[in-house]
Amino acid sequence: EVQLVQSGAELKKPGESLKISCKASGYSFINYWIVWVRQMPGKGLEWMGIIHPSDSQTRYSPSFQGQVTISADKSITTAYLQWSSLKASDSAIYYCARPSVMLRDGWVDPWGQGTLVTVSS
Amino acid sequence: QSVLTQPPSVSAAPGQKVTISCSGSTSNIGNNYVSWYQQLPGTAPKLLIYENNKRPSGIPDRFSGSKSGTSATLGITGLQTGDEADYYCGTWDTSLYAGVFGGGTKLTVL
Repeated sequence: EVQLVQSGAELKKPGESLKISCKASGYSFINYWIVWVRQMPGKGLEWMGIIHPSDSQTRYSPSFQGQVTISADKSITTAYLQWSSLKASDSAIYYCARPSVMLRDGWVDPWGQGTLVTVSS
Repeated sequence: QSVLTQPPSVSAAPGQKVTISCSGSTSNIGNNYVSWYQQLPGTAPKLLIYENNKRPSGIPDRFSGSKSGTSATLGITGLQTGDEADYYCGTWDTSLYAGVFGGGTKLTVL
């Protein structure tokens, strides 16, 4: 079974750093991109960026370029999303998911269970 | 402001049929496949439809998808209270070189 299991909820203060994880299993990790998707409270889904674990090639959506860093460790089939200095506006649920092999086929499946990030002083 | 446009909400009675629209442009829907996702309250999105009209294993045939030009439609027949959820369309945007989603549509089964 293809699975993506994310790390647990986080409560952080503004200015702190954070790295959340997404552990993949049940498929060849290096053959598929991983995408991170943000869902702010009561809002829709936003495509943040993708990484190909085989060579860590990354592409960020313009809104997220420079705001976050996406990385992966293929030795432990895990992808990461990190912030160097959190803001209150980063409070959201973050999902990792696996896009279709051909990105332009445009579908995403499966999804991780989500990681709730709360940034509050 | 989402790249793809969906109605904020739709509603229908149990047993009835509902459709949800998704509008885009030639850089996304017009030249790429459309997918649909169901997000039940408090859960992660789940793939319902991919490549315009294909259903993953386990998705009942009450759910259907279609595409015409730069718009797509999700259809749900035989509505059940368990179908109450947010529904999102998604596709690839060739100009952005990124995936894009609609703003989501909340389905209420009255």
